[in-house]
This record gives sequence, structure tokens and C-alpha cells, in this order.
Amino acid sequence: DAEITQSPRHKITETGRQVTLACHQTWNHNNMFWYRQDLGHGLRLIHYSYGVQDTNKGEVSDGYSVSRSNTEDLPLTLESAASSQTSVYFCASSPANGREKLFFGSGTQLSVL
Amino acid sequence: GENVEQHPSTLSVQEGDSAVIKCTYSDSASNYFPWYKQELGKGPQLIIDIRSNVGEKKDQRIAVTLNKTAKHFSLHITETQPEDSAVYFCAASDTGANSKLTFGKGITLSVRP
Repeated sequence: DAEITQSPRHKITETGRQVTLACHQTWNHNNMFWYRQDLGHGLRLIHYSYGVQDTNKGEVSDGYSVSRSNTEDLPLTLESAASSQTSVYFCASSPANGREKLFFGSGTQLSVL
Repeated sequence: GENVEQHPSTLSVQEGDSAVIKCTYSDSASNYFPWYKQELGKGPQLIIDIRSNVGEKKDQRIAVTLNKTAKHFSLHITETQPEDSAVYFCAASDTGANSKLTFGKGITLSVRP
């Protein structure tokens, strides 16, 4: 069955380190997204991509970057991890225009100490 | 920009009763309204969505109603079951390639057996 997988499920890192979270989908969706989920804030968009070589900033993109070299993967990189980036990160993909009918992964719990 | 608010923040119902979760939005240009369910330890999952040209949509025990004049929409769950216990997110978006999807902060629904 087609799916979207995130790895790792849990990650502990130190302030200042570079961290990359992986996201892989097998639906062949063009649209992929990264969200972070924090108590009291709901889901906030970090970056998104509408196709290979396309990347766009979301509402909370500072300190994060993404690259899209193929349809299946959208890795999220924290250039220099900060404690404020401790969060649960969700990757999503969508077959539709814009941001309709999102399929979410199971999330990565990231702790920055 | 769009502001989506959910209320109440928590809701507890007895198994078999109905549950209603309400959301308000601020941008009259929004015309797509999805609801996502997030079970513990999992990513959000789309359960139902509605467009602004439709006032109500049903899918088995769940339904969504939309009042464009008042800018609010509601999720209705009938004959609640313990497996309905989860966090529910509403969202609002305009449509198109550059659409922006704004999530509410989520409501925790508890169904008491």
C-alpha cells in the first residue's frame, strides 16, 4: 500500500547541531509539506513543495530548509538546532491542488537540549 | 490573514451521545473547510471536508455544516464511540495553487464509556 513515512520517530540533539528529518511518500504526490505541532499553536506550516526543484517558505520557516530532488522525498533540515525548535514535526503530501486532502505521516518528536 | 478559532478546547461526552465541535474563521475568501482527526501518537487524518457552495455534508456518523454569513462551521458526530476520542482540527483555506490552509488549535474530544 502507498504510504508516507517519517524517520526517525524520536530524535534528541544538542543546541547548534544540524539535524535532518526524513519524509518519504510512495503515492507519487507532487505536493509535500512540513508542519510543526506545538501545544497552544496547532499545526503551523514550515515549508512546502509543489514539485521537483520547487520549494517555498511557510509561516514559520526561519531556521529550517528543505530540498526536493525527486517526487518521493522532502527532507527537512534544521541548520543550527535551537531549543525553540523542540516540537513534533509532521510531513504531509497531497494529490490535489493547493493544500487539500493532506495525508500526514506519523510524526517525528524532536528534542533540542 | 486568516484566523481560525475552535471552541471549546476540550469536550467530554457520554458514549452514544452526540458531539458538536465549532470553528469560526475570519477571511470571507476562504472556501474550503476540512476536518482532521488526530489519534494519540499518530498524524492527523482527514475525516471530512466541505466547500463553500455546500451547506452540509454527511458521511455515516459525521457531518459538517457551514454558515458562510456567520463565518462558522461545525463538526457533528452522532452515536459517539470510545474510538472517537481524539484531537480534532478544523482548517480553512481559499483554493488554488497559492492557497493558504490555516488550522485551528485543536479540540480534545473524550468519549466516556
